Amino acid sequence: DAGVIQSPRHEVTEMGQEVTLRCKPISGHNSLFWYRQTMMRGLELLIYFNNNVPIDDSGMPEDRFSAKMPNASFSTLKIQPSEPRDSAVYFCASSFSSSGSPLNQPQHFGDGTRLSIL
Amino acid sequence: RKEVEQDPGPFNVPEGATVAFNCTYSNSASQSFFWYRQDCRKEPKLLMSVYSSGNEDGRFTAQLNRASQYISLLIRDSKLSDSATYLCVVNRGYGGATNKLIFGTGTLLAVQP
Repeated sequence: DAGVIQSPRHEVTEMGQEVTLRCKPISGHNSLFWYRQTMMRGLELLIYFNNNVPIDDSGMPEDRFSAKMPNASFSTLKIQPSEPRDSAVYFCASSFSSSGSPLNQPQHFGDGTRLSIL
Repeated sequence: RKEVEQDPGPFNVPEGATVAFNCTYSNSASQSFFWYRQDCRKEPKLLMSVYSSGNEDGRFTAQLNRASQYISLLIRDSKLSDSATYLCVVNRGYGGATNKLIFGTGTLLAVQP
């Protein structure tokens, strides 16, 4: 079975440019998560969607970041304009959450996008 | 205070040693618990879930103490291939269909030959 697919794997761009990261969750999963990982701060949740609806975007650092999930099989995370401090590894993860179940399934991560803003 | 706290390590142990990692969490409403493993420059992967009664998977044993809000992972007979960062993860679900994992910053394990 295909796992979570992220693209691109690596991105190097100059500050001020728009960056778009893409994610295809595992088929059948109904929750999708965007994380950022740095040495200093570890793994941070940026935003997550359930059934394509954003549930919690409190982790989005500022207005330069936006995320969309137009359908169940695709999501984007956009940074505009990008800054050097945005350099990090960005992970997308997906899971299946059934309503009323307190013990939810663990999340499956993509390989990540290594982003470097010069 | 972070919601999930771990000793960052590194833990340097010889092959065959037994090593234990601890983790505390602050939100008493947390519903489920996991240990993830992350290899260098790779994505986190689920190692095992943690159940209230404790659970074992081969050389790995996980325990949960809800009263103390404490989770542990024990690795017996450690192998070189166990070298990785171990992430303590707490599911702070809001109930219903939501599902939000809070990750600790990880404990680095280096198993030496």
